[in-house]
Amino acid sequence: EDQVTQSPEALRLQEGESSSLNCSYTVSGLRGLFWYRQDPGKGPEFLFTLYSAGEEKEKERLKATLTKKESFLHITAPKPEDSATYLCAGGYGGSQGNLIFGKGTKLSVKP
Amino acid sequence: KAGVTQTPRYLIKTRGQQVTLSCSPISGHRSVSWYQQTPGQGLQFLFEYFSETQRNKGNFPGRFSGRQFSNSRSEMNVSTLELGDSALYLCASSPGVAGGPETQYFGPGTRLLVL
Repeated sequence: EDQVTQSPEALRLQEGESSSLNCSYTVSGLRGLFWYRQDPGKGPEFLFTLYSAGEEKEKERLKATLTKKESFLHITAPKPEDSATYLCAGGYGGSQGNLIFGKGTKLSVKP
Repeated sequence: KAGVTQTPRYLIKTRGQQVTLSCSPISGHRSVSWYQQTPGQGLQFLFEYFSETQRNKGNFPGRFSGRQFSNSRSEMNVSTLELGDSALYLCASSPGVAGGPETQYFGPGTRLLVL
C-alpha cells in the first residue's frame, strides 16, 4: 500500500529560525509530489508540485526539494504568518484524482 | 478565475439522516475529487469524477456516494449518518486531462457535525 509520512508532527520556531519539514513516500510508482499549506478551518492551499528527483521550486521563504525517496520543505527566516499545517501528498500511477496525503506538520512561528 | 466553491459551509445532522454536499470546480476543470478530513486520519480520498463518470474510488462504505453533472459540478451524498462521519469534507478540482497525477485545487470545505 502506498504511503506518505511526514515529520515532525509539530514544529515550533522562533521568527527568523530556519528549518526543514520532511516527507517520505513509497518510492515505487510515484509520479508527482505535492505540497499544500492549510490554515485552521480552511481548505488546503496549493504550494508546489515536484515531478522528478533533483527538482526544486521556490516561493518567497519556502523551497521544496525532491530526492529519490523523500521531499523537504525548507523554510528560510520564517515569520509568524507562516504558521500553518503543511501537507504533502503523493500521486501514484495513472490515478489522476487520488492523492495520498501525509498527516501533516503543524508549524508554529513565534515572534 | 474563481476558485472551488462548496456549499453549505456548515451542517449539523443527527444519526440516521442523510446529507448532500455540493461542489463547483474551477471553470474549465473537469475532474472533481472528494476527501474526508478528520483529526485522527487526516485527509482520506473518497472518490473522483471526470466527465460525469466515477474514475477512482477510495476505501469508504457504500453509504458514501457521489455524482457529477454535465457542467462538472459535483455532489456527494452520505446516507444513514453515523457519529464517525463528523468531519471536514473537501472538494478539489483539476483539469483532468493529464495522463497521471495533477495539481488539485481545494475548496474551503463543508464542516459536518453528526449528533
